[in-house]
Amino acid sequence: DVKVTQSSRYLVKRTGEKVFLECVQDMDHENMFWYRQDPGLGLRLIYFSYDVKMKEKGDIPEGYSVSREKKERFSLILESASTNQTSMYLCASTPETSGNTIYFGEGSWLTVV
Amino acid sequence: GENVEQHPSTLSVQEGDSAVIKCTYSDSASNYFPWYKQELGKRPQLIIDIRSNVGEKKDQRIAVTLNKTAKHFSLHITETQPEDSAVYFCAASMGGRSNNNDMRFGAGTRLTVKP
Repeated sequence: DVKVTQSSRYLVKRTGEKVFLECVQDMDHENMFWYRQDPGLGLRLIYFSYDVKMKEKGDIPEGYSVSREKKERFSLILESASTNQTSMYLCASTPETSGNTIYFGEGSWLTVV
Repeated sequence: GENVEQHPSTLSVQEGDSAVIKCTYSDSASNYFPWYKQELGKRPQLIIDIRSNVGEKKDQRIAVTLNKTAKHFSLHITETQPEDSAVYFCAASMGGRSNNNDMRFGAGTRLTVKP
């Protein structure tokens, strides 16, 4: 059973703080994703990684960066958190080829005050 | 890029009735269409998917239909039960050798099944 684990479920951070959201998957998947989920907007892709140290911008990368130093781990970084980054963040992974199930983590609720 | 629109945004049905959620997509190259269910506080999970070489797929009370000419696909849930209450997302991607980074999601439909 595929497991995608997000280490923090609920966070409250102050404006300007640096925030790290960590994600680990245990199925040796090549592809990992960070999505942002907001009511009425669905799931929007922030960043994508297809291999260690490789990353591609998604639809809304502004204000975010990512790190993938190991195949199983994909981190989302908010360099200077702002209130408009208050949201639910979902990590996901999938095997190399497309048309495969995307496996999601449980989500991280981030509130920036 | 791909754009997926999903309707309705909310849907309330009586237990035992059917529910239909519709999605349209813009990129005629898309050929993989999954549906995800997200219960309150839980992760989205795949419930059914369809590829462009078929027009319909069923799995017990759930079915998905695809009209490639019109670029729309629908989720049908029959004999709804309270545990079907959740947010449902449709998505579209090109499949094939892409890495799923082209997958785009609809805005979601909140389905409520009243006992």
